[in-house]
Amino acid sequence: DGGITQSPKYLFRKEGQNVTLSCEQNLNHDAMYWYRQDPGQGLRLIYYSQIVNDFQKGDIAEGYSVSREKKESFPLTVTSAQKNPTAFYLCASRRVGSNQPQHFGDGTRLSIL
Amino acid sequence: GQQVMQIPQYQHVQEGEDFTTYCNSSTTLSNIQWYKQRPGGHPVFLIQLVKSGEVKKQKRLTFQFGEAKKNSSLHITATQTTDVGTYFCAPGADGSEKLVFGKGTKLTVNP
Repeated sequence: DGGITQSPKYLFRKEGQNVTLSCEQNLNHDAMYWYRQDPGQGLRLIYYSQIVNDFQKGDIAEGYSVSREKKESFPLTVTSAQKNPTAFYLCASRRVGSNQPQHFGDGTRLSIL
Repeated sequence: GQQVMQIPQYQHVQEGEDFTTYCNSSTTLSNIQWYKQRPGGHPVFLIQLVKSGEVKKQKRLTFQFGEAKKNSSLHITATQTTDVGTYFCAPGADGSEKLVFGKGTKLTVNP
């Protein structure tokens, strides 16, 4: 979706290193999400945020951290505590309201060197 | 968000055959959304179902929401190679912005 930009498209991390994945949206959406996708595992929710300066853990938050200082931005940091970070990471946003569709970015593929 | 089971996990069909994927929940859902992810791409919203027994069609795709709002299905008539991808359901819950997805059904079509 043109309204959500994830960068970089590919990212490599060394052992013991923290890396930050960027997600920016210009859709004026309040809610933003981070998912992790592994082959055969579908989409697993890492963190989500409904409003600026507030966020909640998803199902697999361990080893990750987020911030929501601006409405447009929801960066995800993959910390060294995440022992198996190799995956495809997807950011999404939507208007608040459980019947609103999600819009996804193109994703970031993270690999370990 | 609600948890759902999506079946089958994989489906391989010959072009022109029909395809169906099912999404089942043990609890009543307020709504359900369906998404399609093409290989190498990101999920794209297809449709949302809200009412008990609701049926919606998009060309060759038919979406249904069960009478008890605990299950949903996506049926594709006469598959084409452009239908290849993974189809996900995502149940919604009133009052919650948490959105989780089923594990998806990966469809491959043999031309």
